[in-house]
Amino acid sequence: GENVEQHPSTLSVQEGDSAVIKCTYSDSASNYFPWYKQELGKRPQLIIDIRSNVGEKKDQRIAVTLNKTAKHFSLHITETQPEDSAVYFCAANSNSGGSNYKLTFGKGTLLTVNP
Amino acid sequence: GAGVSQSPRYKVAKRGQDVALRCDPISGHVSLFWYQQALGQGPEFLTYFQNEAQLDKSGLPSDRFFAERPEGSVSTLKIQRTQQEDSAVYLCASSSKGVVVGTGELFFGEGSRLTVL
Repeated sequence: GENVEQHPSTLSVQEGDSAVIKCTYSDSASNYFPWYKQELGKRPQLIIDIRSNVGEKKDQRIAVTLNKTAKHFSLHITETQPEDSAVYFCAANSNSGGSNYKLTFGKGTLLTVNP
Repeated sequence: GAGVSQSPRYKVAKRGQDVALRCDPISGHVSLFWYQQALGQGPEFLTYFQNEAQLDKSGLPSDRFFAERPEGSVSTLKIQRTQQEDSAVYLCASSSKGVVVGTGELFFGEGSRLTVL
Protein backbone atom coordinates (compact mmCIF):
# COMPACT_ATOMS: atom_id res chain seq x y z
CA GLY A 1 0.00 0.00 0.00
CA GLU A 2 0.85 3.68 -0.08
CA ASN A 3 3.39 5.10 2.40
CA VAL A 4 3.70 8.86 2.95
CA GLU A 5 6.62 10.41 4.81
CA GLN A 6 6.45 14.05 5.93
CA HIS A 7 9.21 16.38 7.13
CA PRO A 8 9.84 18.27 9.30
CA SER A 9 7.63 17.26 12.21
CA THR A 10 7.90 20.77 13.68
CA LEU A 11 8.73 24.07 12.03
CA SER A 12 9.08 27.46 13.66
CA VAL A 13 9.38 30.64 11.57
CA GLN A 14 9.19 34.37 12.07
CA GLU A 15 6.19 36.23 10.76
CA GLY A 16 6.78 37.19 7.14
CA ASP A 17 9.22 34.37 6.45
CA SER A 18 8.50 31.44 4.16
CA ALA A 19 7.76 27.88 5.29
CA VAL A 20 8.34 24.70 3.32
CA ILE A 21 7.02 21.25 4.20
CA LYS A 22 8.08 18.19 2.21
CA CYS A 23 6.46 14.82 1.62
CA THR A 24 7.45 11.66 -0.22
CA TYR A 25 5.17 8.87 -1.36
CA SER A 26 5.75 5.29 -2.44
CA ASP A 27 2.95 4.37 -4.87
CA SER A 28 3.86 5.49 -8.38
CA ALA A 29 0.18 5.15 -9.38
CA SER A 30 -0.90 7.89 -6.94
CA ASN A 31 -2.35 10.85 -8.82
CA TYR A 32 -3.92 13.12 -6.21
CA PHE A 33 -2.05 15.01 -3.49
CA PRO A 34 -4.01 17.22 -1.08
CA TRP A 35 -2.77 19.29 1.84
CA TYR A 36 -4.91 19.73 4.93
CA LYS A 37 -4.60 22.28 7.75
CA GLN A 38 -5.76 21.31 11.23
CA GLU A 39 -5.95 23.83 14.04
CA LEU A 40 -5.88 22.51 17.58
CA GLY A 41 -9.08 20.63 18.35
CA LYS A 42 -10.57 21.46 14.95
CA ARG A 43 -11.36 19.50 11.83
CA PRO A 44 -8.80 19.08 9.02
CA GLN A 45 -9.54 21.48 6.17
CA LEU A 46 -8.29 21.29 2.61
CA ILE A 47 -6.04 24.20 1.72
CA ILE A 48 -4.69 23.14 -1.66
CA ASP A 49 -4.38 20.04 -3.79
CA ILE A 50 -2.54 19.00 -6.93
CA ARG A 51 -3.10 16.27 -9.47
CA SER A 52 -0.34 14.38 -11.21
CA ASN A 53 -0.86 16.07 -14.57
CA VAL A 54 0.64 19.36 -13.31
CA GLY A 55 3.90 20.21 -11.61
CA GLU A 56 2.89 23.28 -9.62
CA LYS A 57 -0.20 25.02 -8.35
CA LYS A 58 -0.54 28.36 -6.56
CA ASP A 59 -3.29 29.97 -4.53
CA GLN A 60 -2.31 33.36 -3.15
CA ARG A 61 0.39 32.73 -0.50
CA ILE A 62 0.25 28.97 -0.82
CA ALA A 63 1.85 26.81 -3.51
CA VAL A 64 2.39 23.11 -4.00
CA THR A 65 4.99 21.49 -6.23
CA LEU A 66 5.04 17.90 -7.42
CA ASN A 67 7.94 15.84 -8.74
CA LYS A 68 6.48 12.57 -10.02
CA THR A 69 9.85 11.12 -10.96
CA ALA A 70 11.22 11.55 -7.47
CA LYS A 71 7.81 10.89 -5.89
CA HIS A 72 7.83 13.93 -3.69
CA PHE A 73 5.69 17.01 -3.26
CA SER A 74 6.07 20.14 -1.18
CA LEU A 75 3.94 22.86 0.38
CA HIS A 76 5.24 26.41 0.26
CA ILE A 77 3.75 29.20 2.35
CA THR A 78 5.07 32.71 1.75
CA GLU A 79 4.70 35.79 3.95
CA THR A 80 3.63 33.67 6.89
CA GLN A 81 1.18 35.10 9.42
CA PRO A 82 0.41 34.00 12.99
CA GLU A 83 -2.93 32.58 11.82
CA ASP A 84 -0.99 30.13 9.65
CA SER A 85 0.07 28.37 12.87
CA ALA A 86 -1.45 24.87 12.79
CA VAL A 87 -0.65 21.26 11.96
CA TYR A 88 -0.35 20.60 8.24
CA PHE A 89 -0.89 17.15 6.73
CA CYS A 90 0.06 15.99 3.29
CA ALA A 91 -1.71 13.04 1.72
CA ALA A 92 -1.60 10.86 -1.37
CA ASN A 93 -4.29 8.65 -2.82
CA SER A 94 -4.05 4.95 -3.54
CA ASN A 95 -4.87 4.32 -7.16
CA SER A 96 -5.22 0.60 -7.61
CA GLY A 97 -7.96 -1.41 -9.28
CA GLY A 98 -9.68 1.69 -10.62
CA SER A 99 -10.49 2.93 -7.13
CA ASN A 100 -8.60 6.05 -6.10
CA TYR A 101 -10.51 7.25 -3.08
CA LYS A 102 -8.29 6.14 -0.21
CA LEU A 103 -6.00 8.84 1.17
CA THR A 104 -2.85 8.02 3.12
CA PHE A 105 -1.77 10.90 5.33
CA GLY A 106 1.64 11.94 6.56
CA LYS A 107 2.23 12.32 10.29
CA GLY A 108 1.87 16.07 10.17
CA THR A 109 4.00 19.19 10.62
CA LEU A 110 3.36 21.57 13.50
CA LEU A 111 3.99 25.04 12.08
CA THR A 112 4.46 27.90 14.53
CA VAL A 113 4.62 31.44 13.20
CA ASN A 114 6.13 33.78 15.76
CA PRO A 115 4.97 37.42 15.67
CA GLY B 1 -26.20 22.40 8.86
CA ALA B 2 -23.84 22.90 6.00
CA GLY B 3 -20.96 20.79 7.28
CA VAL B 4 -20.28 17.26 8.48
CA SER B 5 -21.63 16.75 11.97
CA GLN B 6 -20.38 14.14 14.44
CA SER B 7 -21.65 13.07 17.84
CA PRO B 8 -20.75 12.70 20.57
CA ARG B 9 -17.78 15.08 20.48
CA TYR B 10 -16.31 13.41 23.54
CA LYS B 11 -16.86 9.91 24.88
CA VAL B 12 -15.28 8.26 27.89
CA ALA B 13 -15.77 4.52 28.09
CA LYS B 14 -14.65 1.89 30.50
CA ARG B 15 -12.64 -0.93 29.01
CA GLY B 16 -15.02 -3.57 27.70
CA GLN B 17 -17.92 -1.19 27.01
CA ASP B 18 -19.49 -0.82 23.59
CA VAL B 19 -19.62 2.63 21.95
CA ALA B 20 -21.43 4.06 18.95
CA LEU B 21 -20.26 7.15 17.08
CA ARG B 22 -22.55 8.98 14.69
CA CYS B 23 -21.80 10.92 11.52
CA ASP B 24 -24.15 13.18 9.57
CA PRO B 25 -22.48 13.91 6.22
CA ILE B 26 -23.16 16.85 3.96
CA SER B 27 -26.53 16.32 2.32
CA GLY B 28 -26.25 14.60 -1.05
CA HIS B 29 -22.66 13.51 -0.61
CA VAL B 30 -22.15 10.10 -2.14
CA SER B 31 -18.99 9.07 -0.36
CA LEU B 32 -18.44 8.71 3.37
CA PHE B 33 -15.21 7.82 5.11
CA TRP B 34 -14.17 7.02 8.66
CA TYR B 35 -10.63 7.79 9.76
CA GLN B 36 -8.88 7.20 13.08
CA GLN B 37 -6.48 9.86 14.35
CA ALA B 38 -4.21 8.95 17.23
CA LEU B 39 -2.62 11.73 19.25
CA GLY B 40 0.08 13.49 17.25
CA GLN B 41 -0.52 11.41 14.13
CA GLY B 42 -2.21 11.83 10.80
CA PRO B 43 -5.65 10.37 10.10
CA GLU B 44 -5.64 6.68 9.18
CA PHE B 45 -8.25 5.17 6.88
CA LEU B 46 -10.78 2.83 8.45
CA THR B 47 -13.62 2.31 5.99
CA TYR B 48 -15.41 3.76 2.95
CA PHE B 49 -19.06 3.87 1.87
CA GLN B 50 -20.46 4.82 -1.49
CA ASN B 51 -24.11 5.55 -0.73
CA GLU B 52 -25.23 2.62 1.46
CA ALA B 53 -22.62 0.16 0.16
CA GLN B 54 -19.51 -0.41 2.26
CA LEU B 55 -16.95 -0.80 -0.50
CA ASP B 56 -13.83 -0.95 1.63
CA LYS B 57 -13.34 -1.92 5.25
CA SER B 58 -9.70 -2.83 4.97
CA GLY B 59 -8.62 -0.31 7.60
CA LEU B 60 -10.81 -1.56 10.44
CA PRO B 61 -8.33 -2.74 13.11
CA SER B 62 -10.30 -5.76 14.29
CA ASP B 63 -13.68 -7.44 14.15
CA ARG B 64 -14.67 -5.34 17.17
CA PHE B 65 -15.11 -2.43 14.76
CA PHE B 66 -18.26 -2.24 12.67
CA ALA B 67 -19.66 0.56 10.50
CA GLU B 68 -22.94 0.99 8.71
CA ARG B 69 -24.76 3.52 6.55
CA PRO B 70 -28.13 1.83 5.97
CA GLU B 71 -29.90 4.58 4.05
CA GLY B 72 -26.92 6.15 2.35
CA SER B 73 -26.80 9.21 4.58
CA VAL B 74 -26.12 8.95 8.35
CA SER B 75 -23.38 6.52 9.36
CA THR B 76 -22.55 4.87 12.66
CA LEU B 77 -19.20 3.47 13.72
CA LYS B 78 -19.56 0.92 16.49
CA ILE B 79 -16.75 -0.39 18.62
CA GLN B 80 -17.45 -3.41 20.77
CA ARG B 81 -15.59 -4.37 23.94
CA THR B 82 -13.44 -1.23 23.80
CA GLN B 83 -9.74 -1.47 24.63
CA GLN B 84 -7.32 1.25 25.72
CA GLU B 85 -5.64 1.18 22.31
CA ASP B 86 -8.95 2.29 20.78
CA SER B 87 -8.49 5.73 22.37
CA ALA B 88 -8.27 8.21 19.50
CA VAL B 89 -10.23 10.82 17.59
CA TYR B 90 -12.57 9.25 15.06
CA LEU B 91 -13.06 11.51 12.07
CA CYS B 92 -15.85 11.21 9.57
CA ALA B 93 -15.51 12.78 6.12
CA SER B 94 -17.80 13.03 3.13
CA SER B 95 -17.27 13.81 -0.52
CA SER B 96 -19.50 14.57 -3.46
CA LYS B 97 -17.36 12.31 -5.64
CA GLY B 98 -17.84 8.58 -5.97
CA VAL B 99 -15.16 5.96 -6.38
CA VAL B 100 -15.45 5.83 -10.14
CA VAL B 101 -15.54 9.58 -10.73
CA GLY B 102 -12.32 10.21 -8.92
CA THR B 103 -10.90 11.68 -5.79
CA GLY B 104 -12.66 14.80 -4.61
CA GLU B 105 -12.24 17.07 -1.65
CA LEU B 106 -12.94 15.44 1.68
CA PHE B 107 -15.01 17.50 4.11
CA PHE B 108 -14.21 16.41 7.64
CA GLY B 109 -16.30 16.58 10.77
CA GLU B 110 -14.90 17.84 14.09
CA GLY B 111 -14.39 14.26 15.22
CA SER B 112 -15.41 12.16 18.19
CA ARG B 113 -12.69 11.89 20.82
CA LEU B 114 -12.86 8.47 22.47
CA THR B 115 -11.03 7.82 25.72
CA VAL B 116 -11.04 4.27 27.04
CA LEU B 117 -10.12 3.94 30.70
